[in-house]
Amino acid sequence: AQTVTQSQPEMSVQEAETVTLSCTYDTSESDYYLFWYKQPPSRQMILVIRQEAYKQQNATENRFSVNFQKAAKSFSLKISDSQLGDAAMYFCAYAVRFGAGTRLTVKP
Amino acid sequence: SQTIHQWPATLVQPVGSPLSLECTVEGTSNPNLYWYRQAAGRGLQLLFYSVGIGQISSEVPQNLSASRPQDRQFILSSKKLLLSDSGFYLCAWSRGQGETQYFGPGTRLLVL
Repeated sequence: AQTVTQSQPEMSVQEAETVTLSCTYDTSESDYYLFWYKQPPSRQMILVIRQEAYKQQNATENRFSVNFQKAAKSFSLKISDSQLGDAAMYFCAYAVRFGAGTRLTVKP
Repeated sequence: SQTIHQWPATLVQPVGSPLSLECTVEGTSNPNLYWYRQAAGRGLQLLFYSVGIGQISSEVPQNLSASRPQDRQFILSSKKLLLSDSGFYLCAWSRGQGETQYFGPGTRLLVL
């Protein structure tokens, strides 16, 4: 069965600091995509970053990067230079399976 | 560019009443379409997905149903709403299975 687990219900970071959100998943597939989505208070789901499993290089998008460990089935999101606008729920996803989410608070 | 629309944005319905939520996609053809439900402060639960007109797959047995009468139209329905149907409903589309999903703004449903 395909499952996605986020073990951190809540995380907090100081503005301008770095925070890492954790995610593990389970699949028997060898080629797939993994995603991090952001859901701000408006509840509009927005794609943050995508990783292709066959690529060894970790994906980066400006201040957002991932640490993808395929053998360990781990897919963490690192947010550098955190900004107030980063405050949101973050969901890790594999196909149509979503983790329970991590609520990120950014302190000024 | 592609856009996805959902309506209504908010809906308050009595128990036992019917439901129809609509989702339409513009700017792409033959998308995969999805309906999710999200309880407050929780993750997304897949309800239905469709890979083509008239092709609907259900994830969870319940009193909801979905239809895809046109390529870029996806409708979520119920004949009789239950209190437990309250939640936030999201429609999404993707170009293919396992690919990036693009979400609509969602519908807040409150069943009283």
